[in-house]
Parts: sequence; structure tokens; C-alpha cells
Amino acid sequence: EAGVAQSPRYKIIEKRQSVAFWCNPISGHATLYWYQQILGQGPKLLIQFQNNGVVDDSQLPKDRFSAERLKGVDSTLKIQPAKLEDSAVYLCASSFGVVAGSLQETQYFGPGTRLLVL
Amino acid sequence: ILNVEQSPQSLHVQEGDSTNFTCSFPSSNFYALHWYRWETAKSPEALFVMTLNGDEKKKGRISATLNTKEGYSYLYIKGSQPEDSATYLCASSNAGNNRKLIWGLGTSLAVNP
Repeated sequence: EAGVAQSPRYKIIEKRQSVAFWCNPISGHATLYWYQQILGQGPKLLIQFQNNGVVDDSQLPKDRFSAERLKGVDSTLKIQPAKLEDSAVYLCASSFGVVAGSLQETQYFGPGTRLLVL
Repeated sequence: ILNVEQSPQSLHVQEGDSTNFTCSFPSSNFYALHWYRWETAKSPEALFVMTLNGDEKKKGRISATLNTKEGYSYLYIKGSQPEDSATYLCASSNAGNNRKLIWGLGTSLAVNP
């Protein structure tokens, strides 16, 4: 079975520019997550979708970050405008379901997008 | 708010050594404990998910135990190999409908040949 796909793998931009990341989850997975992982820290959940609805976006900096999941499948995460502190790895993950049993809670990750803001 | 802590932060061992890491989590309202391995330039990979007190899971040379009453999990690697070099992350989820994973900072393992 194909894994979680993300693009681009690397991105270098200047501060105040905009950037967008794309994620295609594993087929059939209802839940999709975007994480930000800054060097030396654990993954920080930015937003969680259940199908095409938002379950949790409490840690998403909404003044500059936005995300959507059209038709409950692919998702895009956008930063506009970017700041230096946004330099991080952005991970997308998917899981079968949220409320179901523990095995279905396991998250499968994409390779991530490494963003460098200069 | 759950707070997951991992120790040590980093570890250097020689090939063939056995090693272990600790993940501590609040035991109240606990649902599941996950271990992931994250190799450089690759995707984080799920190793184990455990829910019951006393659970023990094994995958090759790697095993994990769970104590939900005192809120800790151990990850053991027997006979470390260079390919075991990675960051090992644990995450805890809470019971209830609004379930989310709270991640530790990880233990970075380097196995020297």
C-alpha cells in the first residue's frame, strides 16, 4: 500500500514570502494531521482533520498559517507571510480513525518538508 | 494538559551494546502509549502502541513495556546495530472523544560500529 506522500521535500524562501505544502494521505484514512517539528523539539500538532472537518487547530498560528482538506482526501498547508521562526520540518500524517481502537489511532507519516526561511 | 518526558535526551553506544530509554507520562485519563522511530531523512515509523498496564511488545531486537499506574514505558534495544541509530519518540494519548497525541522530545541514539 502506498504511504503518505508530501511535496516538496525541501523549500528555501525569504521571510515575508508565502509557501504551500501538499499532502496525500493513505487511501481510506479519515484523519489527517499536520505537525511542525523544530530542531531539538518534539512534533507539535498544528491541525487535525477528520474527513474534511477540522478537529483541532488550537496550536495553528491562524494569522499566518492556513490549511484545508478538500473532499476529505488531499490537504494543503500554507504559510503567508513566513517568518524566520517558521524554519522547521513540516510533517503530514494520517490514521484510520480517531475514536476507534488504539491500533487505528496509529499515525503513518510522510517524509516531511524541510523549510528554511532566510 | 499531558506532559510527556523522555530520557536520556541523547545516547551513544557501541555496536553490540544493549540499551534502554524511558518515557514518562501522566497516568490519569491515559488511553494509549505510542513509540516511533525517526531516522534522519526518513518518515517517522510506528514501532509499538500499548494500552494495558503490563503490556509488553517485541519487534525483533526491540521491545517495550508499559506501566500505566506509575506512568512510564521503557524501550529496550538488545545488541544495538548502527542501523538502530535514530531518534525514538514516544507519544501518549488521553481517553475520551477529543483524543490527541502528546509527544515527548525524543531520545537520539547513535550506535558506533
